[in-house]
Amino acid sequence: EAQVTQNPRYLITVTGKKLTVTCSQNMNHEYMSWYRQDPGLGLRQIYYSMNVEVTDKGDVPEGYKVSRKEKRNFPLILESPSPNQTSLYFCASSRLGGASDTQYFGPGTRLTVL
Amino acid sequence: EDQVTQSPEALRLQEGESSSLNCSYTVSGLRGLFWYRQDPGKGPEFLFTLYSAGEEKEKERLKATLTKKESFLHITAPKPEDSATYLCAVRTTSGTYKYIFGTGTRLKVLA
Repeated sequence: EAQVTQNPRYLITVTGKKLTVTCSQNMNHEYMSWYRQDPGLGLRQIYYSMNVEVTDKGDVPEGYKVSRKEKRNFPLILESPSPNQTSLYFCASSRLGGASDTQYFGPGTRLTVL
Repeated sequence: EDQVTQSPEALRLQEGESSSLNCSYTVSGLRGLFWYRQDPGKGPEFLFTLYSAGEEKEKERLKATLTKKESFLHITAPKPEDSATYLCAVRTTSGTYKYIFGTGTRLKVLA
């Protein structure tokens, strides 16, 4: 089954404790992206990657890091989480360009930073 | 600044009562406009992509249309299972591969 998976689905942590949220897709997609979703603000793009070793900032990259060492994986790293990073996070993937650039989203990771 | 605005924020319909959701956009250049459906606690689910003004796409009770300034998602004879949040997003020609989402329309269809 074609899918985007994220782990963990729920995470409660404390300020300053480094964490990684994993994202994996099995569709051989070039493009992968991370979003956060907050009430009243909608989905905002954090980082995206157009291929292995190619990443770029979205609209809200501060406090986050990403890496793309393999095509299927795109982990989101919070080196020193703060309470304002409490949010619902989604990973997405798609092909690049043309009529096939529909993004497919993962199930989400709900993060609480105390 | 590129911007996407959706209206209304929330909409309550009786079953069978047709209506439209609006997505207006201000972007430097449009590479695609996307509609998604999102159920509570789940990731957005793709509905439609529109690429040029005048384009229309249909799926069951949903029809999406696009002009140079806005898109509409028409819902014909909705059913309670159509209740969800509907999200609109654009990708621009600004040289990056960013997506900009609106804040969504929460639709509730009453039986």
